[in-house]
Amino acid sequence: RKEVEQDPGPFNVPEGATVAFNCTYSNSASQSFFWYRQDCRKEPKLLMSVYSSGNEDGRFTAQLNRASQYISLLIRDSKLSDSATYLCAVRDQAGTALIFGKGTTLSVSS
Amino acid sequence: NAGVTQTPKFQVLKTGQSMTLQCAQDMNHEYMSWYRQDPGMGLRLIHYSVGAGITDQGEVPNGYNVSRSTTEDFPLRLLSAAPSQTSVYFCASRGVYGYTFGSGTRLTVV
Repeated sequence: RKEVEQDPGPFNVPEGATVAFNCTYSNSASQSFFWYRQDCRKEPKLLMSVYSSGNEDGRFTAQLNRASQYISLLIRDSKLSDSATYLCAVRDQAGTALIFGKGTTLSVSS
Repeated sequence: NAGVTQTPKFQVLKTGQSMTLQCAQDMNHEYMSWYRQDPGMGLRLIHYSVGAGITDQGEVPNGYNVSRSTTEDFPLRLLSAAPSQTSVYFCASRGVYGYTFGSGTRLTVV
């Protein structure tokens, strides 16, 4: 089983839609959790960290469920500019490696 | 501009050639790492370093060497390029606010 798994999609949604991505991780001792955004042929950029209590940044909400070992990202009121690949990432127990899922592709259309 | 700088942006090698991918950061980050990204495989960790003089292997280290003589620089060396090393390579450093990625090197081995 891969350490970090995501549904690759693609998710095709209209503008204004709400879309949610899930990501599961296999190592229960993982320390830190993140969502990254990657545009085509560009480097990944940090979208948000994921905290145990859940956190929100504008239209984006991240949640962590340690018991079930998954993290989620909710995007409300989708914009065309949200079209990208969303990568979840988990820092290992030792804190020395950031392990990525393969990414979920989102396409928002008008 | 502060950040992670990778050179070259593009490179074509012949099988068996060697080369060094350069990575430099000016944020005084102790931790630096190299990833490769292939279609359908996501980002995979090649090598990482927790400080000058200290390096360790990631998930896919074979065929690559690294060294860390200064805090700023973390070059990745391909010893004898193979077509399987055709990929996009990202260097990343980690600070208090998370990981910062370079813009990548697109390498093709023919």
